[in-house]
Amino acid sequence: EVQLAESGGDLVRPGGSLRLSCVASGFAFSSAWMSWVRQAPGRGLEWVAIVEGDADGGTAHYPDPVRGRFIVSRDDSQNTLYLQMNSLKTEDTGVYYCAIYKSDRYDSRPYLPNWGQGALVTVSS
Amino acid sequence: DVVMTQSPLSLPVTLGQPASISCRSSQSLVDSNGHIFLNWFQQRPGQSPRRLIYKVSNRDFGVPDRFSGSGSGTDFTLKISRVEAEDVGVYYCVQGTHWPLTFGGGTKVEIK
Repeated sequence: EVQLAESGGDLVRPGGSLRLSCVASGFAFSSAWMSWVRQAPGRGLEWVAIVEGDADGGTAHYPDPVRGRFIVSRDDSQNTLYLQMNSLKTEDTGVYYCAIYKSDRYDSRPYLPNWGQGALVTVSS
Repeated sequence: DVVMTQSPLSLPVTLGQPASISCRSSQSLVDSNGHIFLNWFQQRPGQSPRRLIYKVSNRDFGVPDRFSGSGSGTDFTLKISRVEAEDVGVYYCVQGTHWPLTFGGGTKVEIK
């Protein structure tokens, strides 16, 4: 059974930093492309980071709102995904979900098949 | 980026009655191999999103057969044949054909 467990959510001041973790199990983590998707209170879904699987180079991708502030990384030996968030803004407040982006480059059923329970990040003074 | 537009924003339905949600993309979602990467997600209140449908019409494991997806090109539909109380929540369409992945704004299904 696929399991994704986020941790690290907290209350942080604007301008501060926070690191989220996601421990994965039940699938081939190293080959999987992984993602972080966030949801502001009462709002829709927005991807904030995608990292390619090891076999595909492990390149990280970010949308404009977080590029230069967020860093996604992975420790395949620990089956763990991270999101380092720096220079946090109030608009970064929300629930951050760890999700499988696709199992590998050739996944025939790709795009977010499994999600964690989410980690709440609150950016406020 | 591809813009995904869902309608309606809110959908009050009577238990046991059908429901239909529309999703339109700003450009065709058919890729060079003829595949269409359009998925549907359900988010029940207080829960994480759950994928229901992948590649337009394929139900994920454990998804009841009252859920069905259809469409092609730029127009897609999620149908619930007979709404049950557990179907209350927000439904999102997501396209993966074109980088980057983009989400629809969501449709809230509630019981009348």
